[in-house]
Amino acid sequence: DAKTTQPPSMDCAEGRAANLPCNHSTISGNEYVYWYRQIHSQGPQYIIHGLKNNETNEMASLIITEDRKSSTLILPHATLRDTAVYYCIVHLGSGATNKLIFGTGTLLAIQP
Amino acid sequence: EAQVTQNPRYLITVTGKKLTVTCSQNMNHEYMSWYRQDPGLGLRQIYYSMNVEVTDKGDVPEGYKVSRKEKRNFPLILESPSPNQTSLYFCASSSDYPRNIQYFGAGTRLSVL
Repeated sequence: DAKTTQPPSMDCAEGRAANLPCNHSTISGNEYVYWYRQIHSQGPQYIIHGLKNNETNEMASLIITEDRKSSTLILPHATLRDTAVYYCIVHLGSGATNKLIFGTGTLLAIQP
Repeated sequence: EAQVTQNPRYLITVTGKKLTVTCSQNMNHEYMSWYRQDPGLGLRQIYYSMNVEVTDKGDVPEGYKVSRKEKRNFPLILESPSPNQTSLYFCASSSDYPRNIQYFGAGTRLSVL
């Protein structure tokens, strides 16, 4: 699985859009980009995933660059409850182990 | 409600006393997995199971056992716990390709004295 690079921490004001970047320059053509988040010591929570096209769901939007070497997770109206560690993970979406490789993620702090 | 349930949530035990952490999912998922999370090391996979009676080692399997006798259950067994197994443990389940969206339990915080 390709390695990802994320900033260690970010701040965002409550009510504003939070934009979390992720670099995955070694991603291969059949690998998906997944985003999970972990709110202090709780189980990681799936947010969104995509392959090539931009994706949107009730939680967030995912913007993937045309060359697929980077992506941005967008939380459109951040609230205090969005304070968490956000993990960008590149994965085949299948495979023998189905293992997710969690890096260090980005600690997003929402400021009141 | 789709759920992965782990028990217990908190456990303090002593070295060498066998324990089992249970994990159950109600989504009819084929795939289940155990991770441990330690400060500075992130989440690491211990064992995984592709289906009933099919299990295999992850990255850090030493000192752990698992079984998958039923599709919904995937217990983690520590036959002789040691202090270096003090950690936060998560169980996860997912359906097959291509979605591979993994659902995690709330976690079990284990302290081995």
